[in-house]
Amino acid sequence: SQQGEEDPQALSIQEGENATMNCSYKTSINNLQWYRQNSGRGLVHLILIRSNEREKHSGRLRVTLDTSKKSSSLLITASRAADTASYFCATTRVRGGSNYKLTFGKGTLLTVNP
Amino acid sequence: DVKVTQSSRYLVKRTGEKVFLECVQDMDHENMFWYRQDPGLGLRLIYFSYDVKMKEKGDIPEGYSVSREKKERFSLILESASTNQTSMYLCASSPIRGLYRSSYEQYFGPGTRLTVT
Repeated sequence: SQQGEEDPQALSIQEGENATMNCSYKTSINNLQWYRQNSGRGLVHLILIRSNEREKHSGRLRVTLDTSKKSSSLLITASRAADTASYFCATTRVRGGSNYKLTFGKGTLLTVNP
Repeated sequence: DVKVTQSSRYLVKRTGEKVFLECVQDMDHENMFWYRQDPGLGLRLIYFSYDVKMKEKGDIPEGYSVSREKKERFSLILESASTNQTSMYLCASSPIRGLYRSSYEQYFGPGTRLTVT
């Protein structure tokens, strides 16, 4: 079953604006990760946040994690046309299955218009 | 930089053929994974391997098998290809760290778009 569910499914913004994507999940997690996928290509790891962390930054990316609400958000500031891609959250579970596995959501398609 | 390569970007096969998809990683990662990606369904895990000759079923293993004879190479095999196996196939690898051997970031190959006719 799908663990992560991204929201919205699609987002269209202008260059320079901020983009916020959300992810909800159902079971307790070890960590949550965000990935980017350019059209027709493999996924690229963006950022990982552990279950005991609340916020993490990497360049123009900011990720928050609220374990009480079982949700995370990815903020991309000052977006660029090159940020156009699909964004996926993925979780590893605490128990009930291997620690190795990531479970991916269905993704948010972000379009940044020049 | 970690590099994960897949043997083909595009592949067209006929129903009933045996299909081999190869994946190679150059970072000595313990874990390797095969996913398929379909519109509206996201990424689904087919199989993964946590060591040479070790494998574990993912969420959708039916119709697939895998082989890991060397640490750097993980093969996905479609024993008898069917049209419902037309999909994008993504390979990934990841290191494991810590006492509980937890999985961290995964590194993906470029994908193989397989069409079964």
